[in-house]
Amino acid sequence: ETGVTQTPRHLVMGMTNKKSLKCEQHLGHNAMYWYKQSAKKPLELMFVYSLEERVENNSVPSRFSPECPNSSHLFLHLHTLQPEDSALYLCASSQDPHPGELFFGEGSRLTVL
Amino acid sequence: SQQGEEDPQALSIQEGENATMNCSYKTSINNLQWYRQNSGRGLVHLILIRSNEREKHSGRLRVTLDTSKKSSSLLITASRAADTASYFCAGGNNAGNMLTFGGGTRLMVKP
Repeated sequence: ETGVTQTPRHLVMGMTNKKSLKCEQHLGHNAMYWYKQSAKKPLELMFVYSLEERVENNSVPSRFSPECPNSSHLFLHLHTLQPEDSALYLCASSQDPHPGELFFGEGSRLTVL
Repeated sequence: SQQGEEDPQALSIQEGENATMNCSYKTSINNLQWYRQNSGRGLVHLILIRSNEREKHSGRLRVTLDTSKKSSSLLITASRAADTASYFCAGGNNAGNMLTFGGGTRLMVKP
């Protein structure tokens, strides 16, 4: 149990579907992150939320839409994805302001058909 | 931008041997961290070394940091089959909540 829970663990969707990934942290942290991990590529930082405000958006396509309703929950809404978006999506949390240790969830394995 | 690059990309050793992985980074950091990832799972934090530190130990782990060369090394002593995983370095800087990772070193420890 890492304190960061991601659901679902596995997701298969078509290119026209709309789905969401959910992340919840029970650690009292005030910053949350989405990372994308594709095969044979470094982890890519997608979004950072600090105190529920987005502070970093690394030019991620608009078909990925994050939502952070409170400091404990983070969502990644998915819409009209492409097969190359298939990857492991990792959520993490930390204590602001500058990241010390990141606590990761187990990830959501996404397959886009 | 990618803040860490690990070397080698893959390493295979026998149980009981030591494993050394290296990391190079490009810009100024205030800390460097090492993480471990078992296949298909989340990353687990191993150790953090600050920019004003040169060496740090935690159990069988030893990390060094050379800010003049922008490099770090992770040494795992007396390796075990359970150490088989991918190991990533990541640099944190003062620019905000940025922690960017390298491509990782895949370590295999053979029983």
